[in-house]
Amino acid sequence: GENVEQHPSTLSVQEGDSAVIKCTYSDSASNYFPWYKQELGKGPQLIIDIRSNVGEKKDQRIAVTLNKTAKHFSLHITETQPEDSAVYFCAAPRAGSARQLTFGSGTQLTVLP
Amino acid sequence: DTAVSQTPKYLVTQMGNDKSIKCEQNLGHDTMYWYKQDSKKFLKIMFSYNNKELIINETVPNRFSPKSPDKAHLNLHINSLELGDSAVYFCASSPSLAGKETQYFGPGTRLLVL
Repeated sequence: GENVEQHPSTLSVQEGDSAVIKCTYSDSASNYFPWYKQELGKGPQLIIDIRSNVGEKKDQRIAVTLNKTAKHFSLHITETQPEDSAVYFCAAPRAGSARQLTFGSGTQLTVLP
Repeated sequence: DTAVSQTPKYLVTQMGNDKSIKCEQNLGHDTMYWYKQDSKKFLKIMFSYNNKELIINETVPNRFSPKSPDKAHLNLHINSLELGDSAVYFCASSPSLAGKETQYFGPGTRLLVL
């Protein structure tokens, strides 16, 4: 999206290792940052989100960290499993239009058994 | 029990044809969206509707015309299909237009224009 940059575009890890995906945004007023997971042949599904009043949020093996000063946020997946293989998208409110989300370009995560 | 459903799942058609994609949500949400996902997986919003009213209309060719007969349905009609229209089209819904709520996506419609 025009104000959300996502890296890397592809990521391969061994089963059991950790995976980290990073996104940067441009609008300092943004205050909501969701992450979506898209499995093959399916629509994206929200897995975790964070709001700007916290710096980190965890849900079992998934965590998201937010650095508002640097305007970036990251998805961390620990103890990866083959079923974590999917495309992951970050998103942020579009600059000038808080009603609309702009999605990052996606990261294809492959967990090798 | 499907939350957001789309039909058809696959659509193969010739250039120049007119086609429609239907979307329905049974979540009681007020807001619905159409997204286009290209071959590189880039996900871009096309339209959003809130209670049958058009809210967002990105720079989409006017060959694309959304229609919302009620807040549970948002259909997409495409006239004079072109090769570049080939993509996966996702419908989504959210409780409101707040922008900070979960969006629930349908399974997608894979459109191939020959």
